[in-house]
Amino acid sequence: QVQLVQSGAEVKKPGASVKVSCKASGYTFTSYGISWVRQAPGQGLEWMGWISAYNGNTNYAQKLQGRVTMTTDTSTSTAYMELRSLRSDDTAVYYCARGTAMADFDLWGRGTLVTVSS
Amino acid sequence: QSALTQPRSVSGSPGQSVTISCTGTSSDVGGYNYVSWYQQHPGKAPKLMIYDVSKRPSGVPDRFSGSKSGNTASLTISGLQAEDEADYYCCSYAGSYIVVFGGGTKLTVL
Repeated sequence: QVQLVQSGAEVKKPGASVKVSCKASGYTFTSYGISWVRQAPGQGLEWMGWISAYNGNTNYAQKLQGRVTMTTDTSTSTAYMELRSLRSDDTAVYYCARGTAMADFDLWGRGTLVTVSS
Repeated sequence: QSALTQPRSVSGSPGQSVTISCTGTSSDVGGYNYVSWYQQHPGKAPKLMIYDVSKRPSGVPDRFSGSKSGNTASLTISGLQAEDEADYYCCSYAGSYIVVFGGGTKLTVL
């Protein structure tokens, strides 16, 4: 079955880091990229960045540069997104999505809720 | 990397057609034929409905169509059905492997 399975919900304190995983199955992992998209409560979708599962090349949204790192482990077909120096406004559902770098995300994970609270 | 502009809400009656606009700039919507549209029901992950401006993934009804003119892309849903009620987001490639989403439009089926 073609799917992306994400890790479970996280609760973090301000200033901490979070690492969310996204395990792919049912397709050739290295033939696509993975983007990460977040959605704050009651808000719209925000693109965070993209990683090529083929060669590990990354591109990040300007506002997150320096705080976000995206990686992949091709041996387990898993993508990771780490966000550091968490703030309350990082509270959101974080989605991974399969696609090229051209805004065509055809397969989505179910999302991971990250709550940042003291 | 400013968000694309969408109307906050649109509505229509069953069987009617509605169009949702998505306005960007020549650096994103107007500069590339890489505009996609996503449908999101409450509590669910987004679903790809249109990609490359006007292409439909398999399984998406042909009631959904996309187009683009200049810096504005549009999603048209014809023959509205109750299950079409959802939030819709446009998305565009903006060059240098950067992507930008619209703010989202809530579609209400009256």
